[in-house]
Amino acid sequence: DTGVSQNPRHKITKRGQNVTFRCDPISEHNRLYWYRQTLGQGPEFLTYFQNEAQLEKSRLLSDRFSAERPKGSFSTLEIQRTEQGDSAMYLCASSDELATGFGTQYFGPGTRLTVL
Amino acid sequence: LAKTTQPISMDSYEGQEVNITCSHNNIATNDYITWYQQFPSQGPRFIIQGYKTKVTNEVASLFIPADRKSSTLSLPRVSLSDTAVYYCLVVFLGSSNTGKLIFGQGTTLQVKP
Repeated sequence: DTGVSQNPRHKITKRGQNVTFRCDPISEHNRLYWYRQTLGQGPEFLTYFQNEAQLEKSRLLSDRFSAERPKGSFSTLEIQRTEQGDSAMYLCASSDELATGFGTQYFGPGTRLTVL
Repeated sequence: LAKTTQPISMDSYEGQEVNITCSHNNIATNDYITWYQQFPSQGPRFIIQGYKTKVTNEVASLFIPADRKSSTLSLPRVSLSDTAVYYCLVVFLGSSNTGKLIFGQGTTLQVKP
């Protein structure tokens, strides 16, 4: 088990472009979470999945944001028509609901997005 | 909606015990309290999780008073490598049993030699 992985690690894009990030959770984990973190702030919850079902979405997740987890394994987060305010670190985490509940989440290294 | 508050920064010296407190209002009886450590350019790393009273593991202790309006992370005998940002995370389980996850703004701990 290599932990949670995220790709790409860095993404630079121009305002108005679409971007997609990928997260591969720990293989036996059925919960997957997306967060956004800006400099000097704690992670802000965006959404989470239990298997392939998206159970919760933050109000931070505007219509330009969409997340999927089609087969209950990896997940993608897409941002359409990026804005400079979308520049942040996007973190993915996973957990095993049956073993540890919500609390013990294992985080990936994050994808740093810069919108020019 | 639960909200968490932590001190922005703390300084300590090697070998000392460090206590970081997180305040959380309106926490429900079924909320977990979890603490994470984060180094620059890395994702947060789990330290400890608790429900009430005291929890201890090999790296830290977590104290939660009876009113559950705060929690205190205790790091025994810190070293230079403990210099990092520490976050509390409250999990608010709503009536539908789905989760609302709220991180504190983080406490930057600087350990000096």
